[in-house]
Amino acid sequence: SYVLTQPPSVSVAPGQTARITCGGNNIGSKSVHWYQQKPGQAPVLVVYDDSDRPSGIPERFSGSNSGNTATLTISRVEAGDEADYYCQVWDSSSDHPYVFGTGTKVTVL
Amino acid sequence: QVQLVESGGGVVQPGGSLRLSCAASGFTFSSYGMHWVRQAPGKGLEWVAFIRYDGSNKYYADSVKGRFTISRDNSKNTLYLQMNSLRAEDTAVYYCAKDLWGYDWDAFDIWGQGTMVTVSS
Repeated sequence: SYVLTQPPSVSVAPGQTARITCGGNNIGSKSVHWYQQKPGQAPVLVVYDDSDRPSGIPERFSGSNSGNTATLTISRVEAGDEADYYCQVWDSSSDHPYVFGTGTKVTVL
Repeated sequence: QVQLVESGGGVVQPGGSLRLSCAASGFTFSSYGMHWVRQAPGKGLEWVAFIRYDGSNKYYADSVKGRFTISRDNSKNTLYLQMNSLRAEDTAVYYCAKDLWGYDWDAFDIWGQGTMVTVSS
C-alpha cells in the first residue's frame, strides 16, 4: 500500500516560515491535501489539490507538489499555527485508497 | 451551517459490537461521499471507511475489513459505522468526514467533533 512519510516535528520562530514535507513514491502525480489538528479538536482542511485553500484559510498557508515530495508552507508563522499537520492522498490503484501521512508536530518557539 | 455530529461511542468489551452514527445538516447529504476516520490516543489519523454518495461503492482499511460495515440513509441524512468483533486496537476517537466536491479523490472538507470508542474488559 502507498506510504506517506512526514518529519515528526518542525520548530519555527514567530514570523518565520515553516515548511512541512510529505514524501511518497511519485507523489507529484497525485493530488495532496493537508489538514491541521490542534489538541482536542477535529482536523481542519487547510490546503486541497496540492495548492488550493478553502475559504477562511489565510493566504499564509500554501502548498506545492512535485516529484516525490509535497510541501506545506506556512509563512509569517503565528503562535496559533502550533498544531499537528497531516498530508493525505487518494491512491487509485488500491482497494483501500485513502492514505494519511504520519503527521508533523509544528512547534512555535 | 454545515455540520456533522457523531454519536454512539462508548466502552465495549473485546469481541463486542457498537454502531456509530453521524447526523449531517446544512448540505445536500445525498450528493457527497462520506468517510470514517479514527485516531487512537496519542497517534495519527487513520482512514477507516468510505461510502459513495449513493451507497454504490464502499472501501475499507485492511485493519477493519470484514469486521466493520459503513452504510448511509440518505432519507435521514445519516451515516453509520457498524463495528463488530471489536479489539483493543480499535480504541480511538472516530470522526465522520464529508467529501469536498463529491468525487472519490476529494479532500475531506467538513469533520465532526468525534466520538470515543474504548474497547476494554
